[in-house]
Amino acid sequence: DAGVTQSPTHLIKTRGQHVTLRCSPISGHKSVSWYQQVLGQGPQFIFQYYEKEERGRGNFPDRFSARQFPNYSSELNVNALLLGDSALYLCASSSGTVNTGELFFGEGSRLTVL
Amino acid sequence: RKEVEQDPGPFNVPEGATVAFNCTYSNSASQSFFWYRQDCRKEPKLLMSVYSSGNEDGRFTAQLNRASQYISLLIRDSKLSDSATYLCAVNGFGNAGNMLTFGGGTRLMVKP
Repeated sequence: DAGVTQSPTHLIKTRGQHVTLRCSPISGHKSVSWYQQVLGQGPQFIFQYYEKEERGRGNFPDRFSARQFPNYSSELNVNALLLGDSALYLCASSSGTVNTGELFFGEGSRLTVL
Repeated sequence: RKEVEQDPGPFNVPEGATVAFNCTYSNSASQSFFWYRQDCRKEPKLLMSVYSSGNEDGRFTAQLNRASQYISLLIRDSKLSDSATYLCAVNGFGNAGNMLTFGGGTRLMVKP
């Protein structure tokens, strides 16, 4: 069975550009969460979506947005990229909103902003 | 003060050693606690949940101390394959859903 898949795996952008990251959850999972992991730090929560509705938002600026599609896949969009946005962006899926802590992470999209 | 704090390490231990990590959290309303393992340049994977009564899974033991607001992870008989970064995670403070707040991670290096 396929796990959480993310694309692209690596990308390089310049300051001011826009990026779209994509995530497909495990089949049957309806919840998708996005995390940002800066090198040397733990993952930081950005968004959670369940049944296409935003269920949680972390402390990130409005340049960050996301959505979930009817097939439960999700996109994370970041506008007006800054150097500090360089990080590993992790998508995690889970079966519901109940906080079991059982998040299944994808391998991430590694973004470098020059 | 960070919401979830860990000693970044690295902890360098020989094979067979016992090593313990602590993680402190700031919000006494936190309900759920977890340890994740992250290998270099890989995604985090759930190692174990932490229950109030403590729980054990093979060589790994996790404990929760609500009064002092910390969780611990004990690894006995360390293996080379245990080398990784260990992340503690706490459920989002007061919210529903799967918002986890992670510590910065503790790096473990097990040497032959």
